Amino acid sequence: SQTIHQWPATLVQPVGSPLSLECTVEGTSNPNLYWYRQAAGRGLQLLFYSVGIGQISSEVPQNLSASRPQDRQFILSSKKLLLSDSGFYLCAWKASGVYNEQFFGPGTRLTVL
Amino acid sequence: AQTVTQSQPEMSVQEAETVTLSCTYDTSESNYYLFWYKQPPSRQMILVIRQEAYKQQNATENRFSVNFQKAAKSFSLKISDSQLGDTAMYFCAFMHYGGATNKLIFGTGTLLAVQP
Repeated sequence: SQTIHQWPATLVQPVGSPLSLECTVEGTSNPNLYWYRQAAGRGLQLLFYSVGIGQISSEVPQNLSASRPQDRQFILSSKKLLLSDSGFYLCAWKASGVYNEQFFGPGTRLTVL
Repeated sequence: AQTVTQSQPEMSVQEAETVTLSCTYDTSESNYYLFWYKQPPSRQMILVIRQEAYKQQNATENRFSVNFQKAAKSFSLKISDSQLGDTAMYFCAFMHYGGATNKLIFGTGTLLAVQP
């Protein structure tokens, strides 16, 4: 069966520090991968998606970037965090070529102070 | 652009009773999926139910069912025999299929509290 992991689970970082959040998927090949952010009391906003290694599309202009160095690894990064980057970050995967649901990881709570 | 609207920020229901959560959406596409996701206090997003737009029959998963009104662009979730474990934030989501993205567009959520 497929599983999706995210780490760390929680992170507290000072403004201006770098960021690296990791997401890995097991039990599937060539998945579509997604990064979402959930601000407090709000729905989810898609940040990035990837349909293959090295292929990244950004949905909104922001202080963050994403990379996919391996088929089942998706990384969210920032060189300098802003206060507005605080939130709950969720990674999701979907089987490629199939019009079907996305499955979400457990998420990372990021607090920027 | 597609939008999803959930007009009920919070709802409350007594255990064992039935509750209906509302969702409307706006799209010019004809091929799409609609979903309800549940986010309990653990923050894990869990798929509750899925509806393909081309299917007229409403989807059902145990105590969860939907009322899909395509012409009205309405997609409500009915929870029967509510249980304490149903307490969560519920998100309605839209996905157009036909492109590479298959991204989900989420509503702002409805916080459901099941009272003992």
